[in-house]
Amino acid sequence: EAGVAQSPRYKIIEKRQSVAFWCNPISGHATLYWYQQILGQGPKLLIQFQNNGVVDDSQLPKDRFSAERLKGVDSTLKIQPAKLEDSAVYLCASSPTRGAGEKLFFGSGTQLSVL
Amino acid sequence: ILNVEQSPQSLHVQEGDSTNFTCSFPSSNFYALHWYRWETAKSPEALFVMTLNGDEKKKGRISATLNTKEGYSYLYIKGSQPEDSATYLCAYPPDAGKSTFGDGTTLTVKP
Repeated sequence: EAGVAQSPRYKIIEKRQSVAFWCNPISGHATLYWYQQILGQGPKLLIQFQNNGVVDDSQLPKDRFSAERLKGVDSTLKIQPAKLEDSAVYLCASSPTRGAGEKLFFGSGTQLSVL
Repeated sequence: ILNVEQSPQSLHVQEGDSTNFTCSFPSSNFYALHWYRWETAKSPEALFVMTLNGDEKKKGRISATLNTKEGYSYLYIKGSQPEDSATYLCAYPPDAGKSTFGDGTTLTVKP
């Protein structure tokens, strides 16, 4: 079974530039999550999709972050413009459904450095 | 925002030592508690999903217990090996599955 695919693996940009991350979840997984993990902290949920609809984006800084999941499969997360404090690992995860008992399957993450 | 706390923040042990760490979470309206292992340069990987008070789960040398009434879970590693070096995360999802993660315990096992 193919895992969650993410790209790019690493990205270095300057502040005020734009960046986009891509995620392809496990086939058939209806729920997709984007997490931000800042060094020394646990992953923080940015946005949760159920198929192509947004379930929760309460912690997404909407003035600069946007995400979409067209056709309920692949997803992209964009930051425009980036700030220094956006330096983090961005993790994509998926699960078959959104129940509390469903474990998450993670991609390998994108490590973003904003200079 | 749910408060999920893990302790200790980091742990250094010698190969062969047994160790344990703690995850504490809100004890009201419990649905599930997840443990993940995150090795450097790899993806976080689920170890256990625990749903019942008194649950005890085991995977090789790693085991976990759950006390939902007092709001904590312990993760135990018996006879630590260098390959156990990783960050161990616990996650507490409400019924909708949007997990709140603790900050993790980083374990380093020295040969």
